[in-house]
Amino acid sequence: AQTVTQSQPEMSVQEAETVTLSCTYDTSESNYYLFWYKQPPSRQMILVIRQEAYKQQNATENRFSVNFQKAAKSFSLKISDSQLGDTAMYFCAFRRTQGGSEKLVFGKGTKLTVNP
Amino acid sequence: DSGVTQTPKHLITATGQRVTLRCSPRSGDLSVYWYQQSLDQGLQFLIHYYNGEERAKGNILERFSAQQFPDLHSELNLSSLELGDSALYFCASSPGAITGELFFGEGSRLTVL
Repeated sequence: AQTVTQSQPEMSVQEAETVTLSCTYDTSESNYYLFWYKQPPSRQMILVIRQEAYKQQNATENRFSVNFQKAAKSFSLKISDSQLGDTAMYFCAFRRTQGGSEKLVFGKGTKLTVNP
Repeated sequence: DSGVTQTPKHLITATGQRVTLRCSPRSGDLSVYWYQQSLDQGLQFLIHYYNGEERAKGNILERFSAQQFPDLHSELNLSSLELGDSALYFCASSPGAITGELFFGEGSRLTVL
């Protein structure tokens, strides 16, 4: 069974600093997608970044980047120059495809607080 | 704004009652997914519909049912409600059945008293 583990329930960082959120996953598939979603207090689930497993290059979206280690099944999110608006729950997710359907399997989340 | 609309945003009801949550996917999206988010279980996949047909079921209770209509909107019906059904219910949509990225609505907060 595919599982996603986020080992840090809570983290905090000072504004303008860099923080890294950890995620590990377990799968027997060779090609798959990984995602980081952000859920601010407004509770909207917002896609932060995605990574395709067949791509060796780590994905980057402005201040957000990932460190994808396929052999280690690790997918960490780095937030540079943290801003107050980055305060949110962050969920790592793995896309599982089965029988003509797909679903996202989510980790339990990491609550990130950016302090002024 | 993801383009996915969910109603109602908040709902308070009593145990034993039945409620219906509604979702309108993004324009052009054929797939609708339902997720339940509770404090102890995190985000759990409930069910996936593609162009009106059920494609996959997750941890959906027998008291719960869903359908996707010809205009592609979807409804999640929750019956014989229990206290433990209190949660945030998300709908998400995507263009196809296997596309990778899901676009989430703002969720419907259900409180069962």
